[in-house]
Amino acid sequence: DAGVTQSPTHLIKTRGQQVTLRCSPKSGHDTVSWYQQALGQGPQFIFQYYEEEERQRGNFPDRFSGHQFPNYSSELNVNALLLGDSALYLCASSTGQPNEKLFFGSGTQLSVL
Amino acid sequence: LAKTTQPISMDSYEGQEVNITCSHNNIATNDYITWYQQFPSQGPRFIIQGYKTKVTNEVASLFIPADRKSSTLSLPRVSLSDTAVYYCLVGYSGNTGKLIFGQGTTLQVKP
Repeated sequence: DAGVTQSPTHLIKTRGQQVTLRCSPKSGHDTVSWYQQALGQGPQFIFQYYEEEERQRGNFPDRFSGHQFPNYSSELNVNALLLGDSALYLCASSTGQPNEKLFFGSGTQLSVL
Repeated sequence: LAKTTQPISMDSYEGQEVNITCSHNNIATNDYITWYQQFPSQGPRFIIQGYKTKVTNEVASLFIPADRKSSTLSLPRVSLSDTAVYYCLVGYSGNTGKLIFGQGTTLQVKP
């Protein structure tokens, strides 16, 4: 049973470019959440997708957008990249139940030059 | 969501028991206490969750006093592979999957 898979594992972009990160949830999970983790900090919630809709959003600008597909996989898009967007981007999946534990992928390390 | 306070770092030696305490003075009635572990370049991994008293699983124990204003994660007989960052989270996540992470406690286990 595959866990949460993310691609790519590493990515290098330049300022102003756009990037798309991908996530496949754990089998049986239909809810995907995205987190940004800067070096030395805890993960910060970006948004969550359920039934192909954004259900809740953290304090991130509109440059951060997402999508969920009918097979529950998800994409995170970031436009007009800034140096400060350099971080580990984590995807977590669940079935959306209260206080349910989340399963995280290993993340995509994004470097913006 | 209640704010948590935990030590920034801790050192221990192999074979010792490690206790990491988290303070959450403003915990609400519906809030649960959850701990995650994170290794470098990996996503956090759920360790344990509790509401009151004591919870134990195959990797850790969680002690919660009656007033629930703090909690202690206990790792028995740590090994080098337990070197990681440990996050204490308090809240009722409902169905949103929104977790609020602090800076966590970096545990360094020495031989």
